[in-house]
Amino acid sequence: SQKIEQNSEALNIQEGKTATLTCNYTNYSPAYLQWYRQDPGRGPVFLLLIRENEKEKRKERLKVTFDTTLKQSLFHITASQPADSATYLCAKGNQGGKLIFGQGTELSVKP
Amino acid sequence: GAVVSQHPSWVICKSGTSVKIECRSLDFQATTMFWYRQFPKQSLMLMATSNEGSKATYEQGVEKDKFLINHASLTLSTLTVTSAHPEDSSFYICSGLAGDRPYNEQFFGPGTRLTVL
Repeated sequence: SQKIEQNSEALNIQEGKTATLTCNYTNYSPAYLQWYRQDPGRGPVFLLLIRENEKEKRKERLKVTFDTTLKQSLFHITASQPADSATYLCAKGNQGGKLIFGQGTELSVKP
Repeated sequence: GAVVSQHPSWVICKSGTSVKIECRSLDFQATTMFWYRQFPKQSLMLMATSNEGSKATYEQGVEKDKFLINHASLTLSTLTVTSAHPEDSSFYICSGLAGDRPYNEQFFGPGTRLTVL
């Protein structure tokens, strides 16, 4: 079965640095991957989507890459701020729009 | 962006009672809605897929008689947890799929915290 794996260990970085989160998948490449942000006690908020034929996608301070050879997506936040502290979820889309989520990586940006 | 609301935001109930959670898409028509459950420090687990006017499709291991889903209109889906037990205590989140969005971008509700005593 298809699995999405994220680093379960929390990532702690200093304000201003670039945060890099990893998402690995098994078996066949998904048509696209999505990245969401989730704050405690809240529902996920959509950030970025990248298709398998796209190498990179950017949105303001966010950048996502998709490497079908490595079966991996990287999510970068440049010039990180304490307000970026949250859990970031990677998700693979299935037929009919169903999403399979990774376990999420908690990011903490220290001032 | 599109907005999805859930009601209630939290609920505490006694074991054996039933609880209904509403999910509404406020500014778009959601032909498909999804229900997820999330335990502390874990990811979202899809429970069921709900299409307007038809029966919900449940994921493996989810009891359809315990988690009743109704998708009566393009803007409202409800999840009823019947005969709730403490192990049903969790964070329930719905999402709506806007059919006109490319690549099936989902919009999530704020979640409902259920505590069964």
